[in-house]
Amino acid sequence: AQKITQTQPGMFVQEKEAVTLDCTYDTSDPSYGLFWYKQPSSGEMIFLIYQGSYDQQNATEGRYSLNFQKARKSANLVISASQLGDSAMYFCAMRFNTNAGKSTFGDGTTLTVKP
Amino acid sequence: DTAVSQTPKYLVTQMGNDKSIKCEQNLGHDTMYWYKQDSKKFLKIMFSYNNKELIINETVPNRFSPKSPDKAHLNLHINSLELGDSAVYFCASSQGLLQASGYTFGSGTRLTVV
Repeated sequence: AQKITQTQPGMFVQEKEAVTLDCTYDTSDPSYGLFWYKQPSSGEMIFLIYQGSYDQQNATEGRYSLNFQKARKSANLVISASQLGDSAMYFCAMRFNTNAGKSTFGDGTTLTVKP
Repeated sequence: DTAVSQTPKYLVTQMGNDKSIKCEQNLGHDTMYWYKQDSKKFLKIMFSYNNKELIINETVPNRFSPKSPDKAHLNLHINSLELGDSAVYFCASSQGLLQASGYTFGSGTRLTVV
């Protein structure tokens, strides 16, 4: 069974510093996609970044990068130069070609950026 | 122009009532979903439609009935509402079923059953 684990229920970071949010996953399928989504206090869900299991390079999108370690089955999100607006809940998710489009989400990590 | 729009944003209703949530996407995506987010923020898929065809029905009570009149619309009707149905319901869409397609979410509908 596919499973996503986010071990950090809450994280704090000082403004302008970098922070890493952990995500590990469990699957025997060699082909999958990994995603991070942000949910601010206003409630909407925002797609941040995608990493394919066969991608050779780590994905980057602006201040977001994904530290993908396939052998360890981890897909940590790194946010550089944290801003107050980064305070939100962050979800790691996994998707497979064989699963009819379904995504499995982790329990989320609440990030608080301190001024 | 909102990519995935859900209405209403808030819904407060009494137990036993029937209610509907509407979702529309203007992204030209083939696949639409309903997800439920409970009070602990856990997200779980309920239904998925691809080109108007139901492809995922994830052990949801029969009181929940999705309907997709066309690729751009996916509605959710809930009969005989129960207290446990209180949650945030998200509509989402993606360009097909492939794993590389991220979701675009609607803003969510907060349903409160009293």
